[in-house]
Amino acid sequence: EVQLVESGGTLVQPGRSLRLSCAASGFIFNDYVMNWVRQVPGKGLEWVSAISWNSGRIGYADSVKGRFTISRDNAKNSVYLQMTSLRAEDTAIYYCAKGHDSSGYGYFDYWGQGTLVTVSS
Amino acid sequence: QSVLTQPPSVSGAPGQRVTISCTGSSSNFGTGYDVHWYQQLPGTAPKLLIYGNSNRPSGVPDRFSGSKSGTSASLAITGLQAEDEADYYCQSYDFSLSGSVFGGGTKLTVL
Repeated sequence: EVQLVESGGTLVQPGRSLRLSCAASGFIFNDYVMNWVRQVPGKGLEWVSAISWNSGRIGYADSVKGRFTISRDNAKNSVYLQMTSLRAEDTAIYYCAKGHDSSGYGYFDYWGQGTLVTVSS
Repeated sequence: QSVLTQPPSVSGAPGQRVTISCTGSSSNFGTGYDVHWYQQLPGTAPKLLIYGNSNRPSGVPDRFSGSKSGTSASLAITGLQAEDEADYYCQSYDFSLSGSVFGGGTKLTVL
């Protein structure tokens, strides 16, 4: 059974940094692209970032480019999102989502339960 | 503004058929990238509903169907049931943005 478990969400002050983690199980982790998708409570979904199986291809939404860094550790079956210079508008539930293949052009076949990041003073 | 455009809300009575539209552009649907649909029940994570324009993952009832033509796509739900009340999102890949994009979401209300 595929499982994605996010952690690291918390209340953080504007301008500070935070690292989210996603632990994966139930599939061959290093065969797939992994993504982060966020959702402001009560609002729509926004793709944040993606990383290929070997970290050779990485993409970011314009809204986080230069502030967020995605990484993965295939030995630990984990993907991370390092968030810096956090802003109030980064407040959201952050979901880890598995890409359906290694291309990064497709869909997200499994999602975690999400972790809430609140940016506020 | 979302890259993919969906109506904010649709509604229908139990047993009826509803459709949700998703309009893209030349940099996503028009380039040939597929559309995918997700269902998000209240308080839960999104769940894949339709992939590759019209394919259903195992376990998704055949009441749900999808289609895509040119720069438009749609999700149809027939035999509407109370448990279908949820938010629905379309998603694709955008060549000019070099990333995935979502529609703004459509709230389905079962009357």
